[in-house]
Parts: sequence; structure tokens; C-alpha cells
Amino acid sequence: EVQLVGSGGGLVQPGESLRLSCETSGFTFSNFEMNWVRQAPGKGLEWVSSISSSASTIHYADSVKGRFTISRDNAKNLLYLQMNSLRAEDTAVYYCARVGYYYDGYGYRYSFDNWGQGTLVTVSS
Amino acid sequence: DIQMTQSPSSLSASLRDRVTITCRASQTISNYLNWYQQKSGKAPKLLIYAASKLQSGVPSRFSGSGSGTDFTLTISSLQPDDFATYYCQQSYSAPMYTFGQGTKLGI
Repeated sequence: EVQLVGSGGGLVQPGESLRLSCETSGFTFSNFEMNWVRQAPGKGLEWVSSISSSASTIHYADSVKGRFTISRDNAKNLLYLQMNSLRAEDTAVYYCARVGYYYDGYGYRYSFDNWGQGTLVTVSS
Repeated sequence: DIQMTQSPSSLSASLRDRVTITCRASQTISNYLNWYQQKSGKAPKLLIYAASKLQSGVPSRFSGSGSGTDFTLTISSLQPDDFATYYCQQSYSAPMYTFGQGTKLGI
């Protein structure tokens, strides 16, 4: 059974840092692209960052670029999100998500087929 | 950046109703379109990928269609478990992704 378990959330003050972790099991972690998605209270889903299976390709949403760093440890089946210079608007539940692949004869299609349970980050003074 | 717009933002329906939610992309995305269901306090769940493929374990009353810029999610006969918020997502620009703003389906 595929499992993703997020942790590391908490209450921090503006300008502080926090590192989120996503512990995975039940699949070959090193074969899959992984992502972080967040959801502010009462709001919709916002994609945050992606990292390829080998960590060679990384992307960020403009809202977190330069402040957040995604990384992974394929030996330990762990995904991370280092969050620096946190702002009130970063308050959200953060989900880790695995990318699933489907080949339809024309090319690969991607979706987030498994999600962690979410970890709450609150940035407030 | 590709923008995704869902309509309506909220919807009231009754059990056994047929419900359709629409998602429009700001540019053509072929069939790089996914649908998710999210219940309050829970992580999203993948329902439909590649615009029309039903994820394993998802009831057949859910279906997706569309290509290019216009897509629909249809629930053929609403069940009590279906009252939730639904999101579309484009993966055309993978590994950068965009979600729609969500459609809240209530009684």
C-alpha cells in the first residue's frame, strides 16, 4: 500500500524557518516525481514545488521562489520542503503528492495519484 | 502561465441528480487535465486523469470529457458520499501545475 506521511508543521513567527518532511512507503520512491501542494484556510489548492525522481529538475511557484527549497533523499524514501523567510500568507496545510504516469499512445500524462494527509503551517506573531 | 477556471464555484443538488462541473483552460492543453475530490479536512483524491480516464477504485458514476480548452466532470447520479469540493488541474506544463479554484457541491 502506498503511504505518504507528512510532518514538521507548526506555529512560527514571520521571518522564521521550518522544514517539512514526507515519509513514503509502499512504492519505489526513487522512480517518481514528487510535489508539494498547499491549501490556505478556506481556500483552494495551490501547487508549490516539484522535484524529479533524481532531483535533477526542480520547479517552484513564483509565490515561494527564492524562499523555499525542495529536496529528497532516495535512500531514505523522504521528501523535504525547507521554508525560509516565512510570511503570514504561507499559512496553510501542506500536502506532499506523488506523480502518477499514464501513457496514452501519444505521450505521458501526469496526475497526483497519492497524497499525504497534510501538515499545518501557521505563520503568526 | 496557464490559468484554470471552474464553473460554477458552488452548486446545490439533490440525491440522484445528474451534475456537471466545467473547467476551462486559458490555452489549449490537449487532454492534460485531471479532476480531484476533496472532503472537508481530508487530502484530495484523484478521480479522473487524462481528461477521461477513471482512476482505479472510483465509482463509474463519475466521468470526464473534453479536450483542448474545455472540460467537464459529470456525476451521473449523486450519492451522499459525493458532496465535496472538486478541483481540476492541468498537467500540460508539467512539472509545473495549476489547479482550478474549486467547485463546492452541496445539498
